[in-house]
Amino acid sequence: KAGVTQTPRYLIKTRGQQVTLSCSPISGHRSVSWYQQTPGQGLQFLFEYFSETQRNKGNFPGRFSGRQFSNSRSEMNVSTLELGDSALYLCASSFSAGTGEAFFGQGTRLTVV
Amino acid sequence: KNQVEQSPQSLIILEGKNCTLQCNYTVSPFSNLRWYKQDTGRGPVSLTIMTFSENTKSNGRYTATLDADTKQSSLHITASQLSDSASYICVVSAWTGGGNKLTFGTGTQLKVEL
Repeated sequence: KAGVTQTPRYLIKTRGQQVTLSCSPISGHRSVSWYQQTPGQGLQFLFEYFSETQRNKGNFPGRFSGRQFSNSRSEMNVSTLELGDSALYLCASSFSAGTGEAFFGQGTRLTVV
Repeated sequence: KNQVEQSPQSLIILEGKNCTLQCNYTVSPFSNLRWYKQDTGRGPVSLTIMTFSENTKSNGRYTATLDADTKQSSLHITASQLSDSASYICVVSAWTGGGNKLTFGTGTQLKVEL
């Protein structure tokens, strides 16, 4: 059974650009969550999608957005990139939006220069 | 404000020794508490998940405890191995009605040495 797949693994962007990250959940999982991980802040919750609907949102500016498709694949977009957006972006999938175990992907390392 | 605090921030132990990591939280309404292990450069891997009614759960050499009254959890690692070197993250989930909102601790960095 394939795990959570995130693409690309590494990305370098310039300030002001926008970026789209992709996450393919485990087959059969309908919930996808996104997180930002930085050395200073640790892991921070961005948002959670279930059945194409955003169920929860963390405390991030509107430049961070996401969506989920009918096949449960999810994308995250960051517009007008800032240096502080450099981080490891992780996505996790679970069967439901409830108490189910979350399985993480390997992450996308974004560097903004 | 929901918060999760972990201690110690870092820890070095000798192979074969036991250790205990701590997690204190102020998250409500409490849904569940999870411990994750994250190797450098990789995504976190779940070790245990505990709900309000569970006060201990084991996964091999890892044993987690939960005291919902004092809002404390611990992760005990028995007979440590070099491969246990990683960051251990405590995550507390609050049920918002529409889904779970997770609050992460900043992790305990464990290094196991020969």
